[in-house]
Amino acid sequence: DAGVIQSPRHEVTEMGQEVTLRCKPISGHDYLFWYRQTMMRGLELLIYFNNNVPIDDSGMPEDRFSAKMPNASFSTLKIQPSEPRDSAVYFCASSPDNEKLFFGSGTQLSVL
Amino acid sequence: SQQGEEDPQALSIQEGENATMNCSYKTSINNLQWYRQNSGRGLVHLILIRSNEREKHSGRLRVTLDTSKKSSSLLITASRAADTASYFCATDLSGGYQKVTFGTGTKLQVIP
Repeated sequence: DAGVIQSPRHEVTEMGQEVTLRCKPISGHDYLFWYRQTMMRGLELLIYFNNNVPIDDSGMPEDRFSAKMPNASFSTLKIQPSEPRDSAVYFCASSPDNEKLFFGSGTQLSVL
Repeated sequence: SQQGEEDPQALSIQEGENATMNCSYKTSINNLQWYRQNSGRGLVHLILIRSNEREKHSGRLRVTLDTSKKSSSLLITASRAADTASYFCATDLSGGYQKVTFGTGTKLQVIP
């Protein structure tokens, strides 16, 4: 299995632009998670899905953030409009059991 | 906010020595996990210990859990330069929606 695949690997954008991060989970995993990692706040859980349904989005910082999972093999995290404070590494992870998580390599986002 | 906090924040040891990292958490849990993150990469699952277990081994890793003190420790024996990484504990929350939240991490440097 190729593991969790995230794209793009790096994203540099200007403040105010829309940013879309993509994730392909491991086939057969029913849970999908989006995390954000910064030096100041560490790893924060933004949202997680079970069987494509959002279960807990209490970590989504603002209405500028939205996440979708249209099918079992694809999820997006969108930021519109982006701000410099959104700069971080965004990780997608999947799990077969909501216990052991398998992480992607992350997307390094820089908002100028 | 983080559920877990690791101690120490940073640790530097010589190759061959043992490394011990501690994790304290705040609320009751179903299980506790340890993950490793190499620089610029996603997290990799190392070991999971359930709330009714006190100790678990996996290769050179030994994990203990003390639910009365809400703490866990990760021991890496006979450390190698390749063990250089950040180590995170992760807990779920018993009751309600189960979601995995991460601690602040310990940065381990193993000097060859």
